[in-house]
Amino acid sequence: DAKTTQPPSMDCAEGRAANLPCNHSTISGNEYVYWYRQIHSQGPQYIIHGLKNNETNEMASLIITEDRKSSTLILPHATLRDTAVYYCIVRETNFGNEKLTFGTGTRLTIIP
Amino acid sequence: DSGVTQTPKHLITATGQRVTLRCSPRSGDLSVYWYQQSLDQGLQFLIQYYNGEERAKGNILERFSAQQFPDLHSELNLSSLELGDSALYFCASSVTGNPGELFFGEGSRLTVL
Repeated sequence: DAKTTQPPSMDCAEGRAANLPCNHSTISGNEYVYWYRQIHSQGPQYIIHGLKNNETNEMASLIITEDRKSSTLILPHATLRDTAVYYCIVRETNFGNEKLTFGTGTRLTIIP
Repeated sequence: DSGVTQTPKHLITATGQRVTLRCSPRSGDLSVYWYQQSLDQGLQFLIQYYNGEERAKGNILERFSAQQFPDLHSELNLSSLELGDSALYFCASSVTGNPGELFFGEGSRLTVL
């Protein structure tokens, strides 16, 4: 699985859009980009994933650059409950082996 | 609620002891994953089972073992416990073949004194 690089920490004002960057310059063509978050020692929570196209769900949007070497997770209207560690993970999808390798992530703090 | 159930939520024991952590995956999920998260390290993948068979192995110590039973629940056995084994242990399950999400339980917090 390709390696990812994320800033260790970020702040965002409540109500504003939080934009979390991730660099994955060694990504290969069949690797997906996944985002998870972990709120204070709770189990990690899936947010979104994508391969090439931008994706949006009820939680967030994922913007992947055309060359796929980087991506941005966007939380459109951040709330205090979005304070968490956010993990960007790149992984192949192998049938029966969907393990994730977590890095150190970005600690996002939402400021009231 | 992810649908993944882990027991016990908290466990305190002494060095040298043995404990068993239990995980019930979401209904229909065939894969179970175990992760360890200690204070000074991130989430470390330990082992994965798929439909009763070991599928992938990560940084799991020889003192640790796991299995998945016919009803698909899984147990992680930790023996000869050391202080450094104190950590959160998470179980996750997935719909095999779906390039989507892993569903994580709330974890079992193990404290070794």
